[in-house]
Amino acid sequence: GDSVTQMEGPVTLSEEAFLTINCTYTATGYPSLFWYVQYPGEGLQLLLKATKADDKGSNKGFEATYRKETTSFHLEKGSVQVSDSAVYFCALIDNTPLVFGKGTRLSVIA
Amino acid sequence: DAGVTQSPTHLIKTRGQQVTLRCSPISGHKSVSWYQQVLGQGPQFIFQYYEKEERGRGNFPDRFSARQFPNYSSELNVNALLLGDSALYLCASSLAPGQGFYEQYFGPGTRLTVT
Repeated sequence: GDSVTQMEGPVTLSEEAFLTINCTYTATGYPSLFWYVQYPGEGLQLLLKATKADDKGSNKGFEATYRKETTSFHLEKGSVQVSDSAVYFCALIDNTPLVFGKGTRLSVIA
Repeated sequence: DAGVTQSPTHLIKTRGQQVTLRCSPISGHKSVSWYQQVLGQGPQFIFQYYEKEERGRGNFPDRFSARQFPNYSSELNVNALLLGDSALYLCASSLAPGQGFYEQYFGPGTRLTVT
């Protein structure tokens, strides 16, 4: 079945550091890909999405590019802030509702 | 506009009991999905409803059931609770089901603790 694998956390960075969270997927069809963010005590918020190969999703300084050849959708941000501390989930939709990775906890220290 | 709302926020139940969780979608949204998020894991799909009909079911036992009402709100029921049912239960609404065409908006969740 469809699955998402993302890098294990936690990830701890200093403010203004560069962030990469790796995500790879397995799908039988041609999925849409997402990154969701979960702040402490809250539900999930959609951060960005891409629906076809080579699409780049972007929001709030975060970016991810749909790479079909490597089945990847890595999340990047050039300069993280303390307010970016949260859990980040990579997810896909193929012929089923959302399939999520296990999440990566990011802590940004001042 | 109000987002997805869920009630209650927190719930503590004893093994063997039954629980009902409620979800109100965003106005105009006709599809509701339920997910279970165990601590430290990503959410797992339980059910999807659209126009009051079940459109999908995840790999969960028959103790889990759900329904959608004419106003598109939804209930998730879990019978014969087990310790392993302790989790955050998330509801998401969208205009309609679809492969990523319709964004799913998540509620804050109901934290269920089974003792």
